[in-house]
Formats: sequence, structure tokens, C-alpha cells
Amino acid sequence: DMKVTQMPRYLIKRMGENVLLECGQDMSHETMYWYRQDPGLGLQLIYISYDVDSNSEGDIPKGYRVSRKKREHFSLILDSAKTNQTSVYFCASSSRENSDYTFGSGTRLLVI
Amino acid sequence: KTQVEQSPQSLVVRQGENCVLQCNYSVTPDNHLRWFKQDTGKGLVSLTVLVHENDKTSNGRYSATLDKDAKHSTLHITATLLDDTATYICVVVDRGSALGRLHFGAGTQLIVIP
Repeated sequence: DMKVTQMPRYLIKRMGENVLLECGQDMSHETMYWYRQDPGLGLQLIYISYDVDSNSEGDIPKGYRVSRKKREHFSLILDSAKTNQTSVYFCASSSRENSDYTFGSGTRLLVI
Repeated sequence: KTQVEQSPQSLVVRQGENCVLQCNYSVTPDNHLRWFKQDTGKGLVSLTVLVHENDKTSNGRYSATLDKDAKHSTLHITATLLDDTATYICVVVDRGSALGRLHFGAGTQLIVIP
């Protein structure tokens, strides 16, 4: 079953702590994305990765960084989390071949 | 600036009724448009893809139309079921990159009651 897996599903962190969100996919998709979803807003693109070590900033990259050392794995890192980074984070992947998009189930992050 | 506007923001219908969700966008250039379903606490699941001017698609009880001239799409759900309760998100893909950039609407929250 082709899927995107996000870990953890829920996370509570204190302001100033570091946060690591993990995302994996088993479809060998070249492109992977990190989005955040806030109430009343559409998903906003944080970072996009076109392949291993080929990452580009999205619309709201400030306060985030990413790592992609293997095609199937894409991490989102928050160095010194802030309360305004409380959100639901979604990872997605897509293939250049058929441009189909697959989303993970999301990580709900609360920064207190 | 919001480039994808969805209406209504929320909608309550009785099981068995039909409903129509609207999507207007200003994304240019527009490659194709997708509708996704998002169950509460879950990720987005693709329902349909519309590519060409005046495209119409059907996926079971879901059908969609696209008018590229008017930059408008509709999603029709017929004979709604309780499991149709979800947020429906319109996504417009532009031609900016080889893969296309996704522009998301805020979604329409559909609630189906018995």
C-alpha cells in the first residue's frame, strides 16, 4: 500500500526546544513537501525537496529547516520552537512521472 | 493574497441530499485543478483531477467541472452519506515549475446529518 508516513502524530514542546518531524514515503517519489495547516487558511508551503540534498524554500520557511539525505525520507526541523509554530504539519510526496500527490496524516504540534 | 477561494465556508446537509461546492481562483497560469477530501484529523485524499477547459470528471457520487475561462470549478456530491462529512479542499496547480506549484483553498467543511 503506497503511503506517506509521518511521525510523531502528536507532539507537545516548550518554547525554545528543538523539534524534529519525520516523514517517509515508500513510492520512490522524487519530490517531497512540508506544509502547515492553520484554521481558516489553506495549506502553506514551508519547504520543497526535488530529490536528495536538493531543497528549496517555500512561502514560509522562516524558523524551519529541512534535511533530505535519502529519497524516501524528509525531515522538518524547528530550532528553538516558537508558540506561533503551533500548527498541523503535513508532508506530501509526488512523482514527476504522473504528478500524483500523496499526503501524510499530519503531525499536530503544540508549542507551549 | 488568497488566490483560491472556496464557498461556502461550511455546509450542513441531510443524508441523501445533494450538494455543490464552489471554487474560484486567480492563479495564473493554471495547469490543472484538484479536489481533495480531508477527514477530521487525517491527511488529504485526492478525489478528482481536472485538466482541460470545460473538463468534467466523475468518481462515483463525486463529480466535478472546470471552467478555465471563468477560473471556476464545482464539486457535486450526490446522495450524501454520513461518511461524506469532511473538509473538501480545492487545489490549483500552476505551470511555474516542472512539477507545478500547489495553491490551496481554505476548504469547505461539509457536515452530513442523519
